[in-house]
Amino acid sequence: QKEVEQNSGPLSVPEGAIASLNCTYSDRGSQSFFWYRQYSGKSPELIMFIYSNGDKEDGRFTAQLNKASQYVSLLIRDSQPSDSATYLCAVPGYSGNTPLVFGKGTRLSVIA
Amino acid sequence: KAGVTQTPRYLIKTRGQQVTLSCSPISGHRSVSWYQQTPGQGLQFLFEYFSETQRNKGNFPGRFSGRQFSNSRSEMNVSTLELGDSALYLCASSLVLDRGDEQYFGPGTRLTVT
Repeated sequence: QKEVEQNSGPLSVPEGAIASLNCTYSDRGSQSFFWYRQYSGKSPELIMFIYSNGDKEDGRFTAQLNKASQYVSLLIRDSQPSDSATYLCAVPGYSGNTPLVFGKGTRLSVIA
Repeated sequence: KAGVTQTPRYLIKTRGQQVTLSCSPISGHRSVSWYQQTPGQGLQFLFEYFSETQRNKGNFPGRFSGRQFSNSRSEMNVSTLELGDSALYLCASSLVLDRGDEQYFGPGTRLTVT
């Protein structure tokens, strides 16, 4: 079974700072990576996906993938209190198994 | 384009009863997956459907079952409810579900078993 590891947090950052969330994965063959944001009591919302090594930017969010080191990170620039949520990292599962393997998530708290 | 919808949003049942949850995927999406989320266990995969066929199943007892209709809508059923079945049940749809397709979640059904 593939594994995805995330620091559970909470990660506390001041408003306006850069929040850095990290995720490591066990299967070197993983090809795609997803970041979901989940507010308390709500369902996960897909915010970023990345397939290639390097960086992918979307607004204040940047996903960074390093396949050699088997980690993917999510940077949130100019963090806002509304970014306070749990961030889930996911990779595709093996064929015949779960479609996505999720980490347990990192809880981010942005302090105003 | 409308997102994934799930009904009902909230349910309260007693032990021993059964429950049916419904999910309508994003228009054009043919794959539907179901997950159970609890505070202690995180997101646990239940099953996955594509073109009315169950393609994969997670490690849940046979009390949990599902199906998919020709319009891609899906239902899941839990029989003989137990207290431990209290959870947020999430449905996610994707276009085809190759390994690597993005999955989009519905708002979930929060089930409370008393």
